[in-house]
Amino acid sequence: DAGVIQSPRHEVTEMGQEVTLRCKPISGHDYLFWYRQTMMRGLELLIYFNNNVPIDDSGMPEDRFSAKMPNASFSTLKIQPSEPRDSAVYFCASSRSNEQFFGPGTRLTVL
Amino acid sequence: AQSVAQPEDQVNVAEGNPLTVKCTYSVSGNPYLFWYVQYPNRGLQFLLKYITGDNLVKGSYGFEAEFNKSQTSFHLKKPSALVSDSALYFCAVRGFKNNNDMRFGAGTRLTVKP
Repeated sequence: DAGVIQSPRHEVTEMGQEVTLRCKPISGHDYLFWYRQTMMRGLELLIYFNNNVPIDDSGMPEDRFSAKMPNASFSTLKIQPSEPRDSAVYFCASSRSNEQFFGPGTRLTVL
Repeated sequence: AQSVAQPEDQVNVAEGNPLTVKCTYSVSGNPYLFWYVQYPNRGLQFLLKYITGDNLVKGSYGFEAEFNKSQTSFHLKKPSALVSDSALYFCAVRGFKNNNDMRFGAGTRLTVKP
């Protein structure tokens, strides 16, 4: 198995632009998580899905952030419009039971 | 309030010496506890977990952790540190709002010097 796949690995954009981050979970995993990691705030859970249904989005910082999971093998995290304070590493993780398996992350820089 | 804490931002040890990375938790009910490691520019990798059973849990790369209910701790240990163990270590607990999301500590940077 290739593990959790995220794209792009790096994204540099200008303030106000729309950003879409993508994630392919491990096949057979029914939970998918989106995290954000920054030096100041550490690792934060943004949202998670179970069987493609959003269960808890209380960690989504504001309405500019949205996430979807149209099927079991794909999820997106969208930021519109992006702001410099959104600069961070965004991780996707998937799980079938207890432990979570993380993707390599997307490093987002908003200028 | 439910929480997980890693009291040390950084731990420095000499190669060959034992290492300990500390973690304490506060969770109602039985905790599910985890340790993850993060190498530079990589995602988190699962090391080990405690769900139930033996309080001493063995994991990847020679690491182990001891669940101590009375002290509400789950410290990560290794008898002999390697330079390649240098990384960022996260303790995590499951079971906040429900049993499906995980909360991570702030992380402890371990540096092993030759």
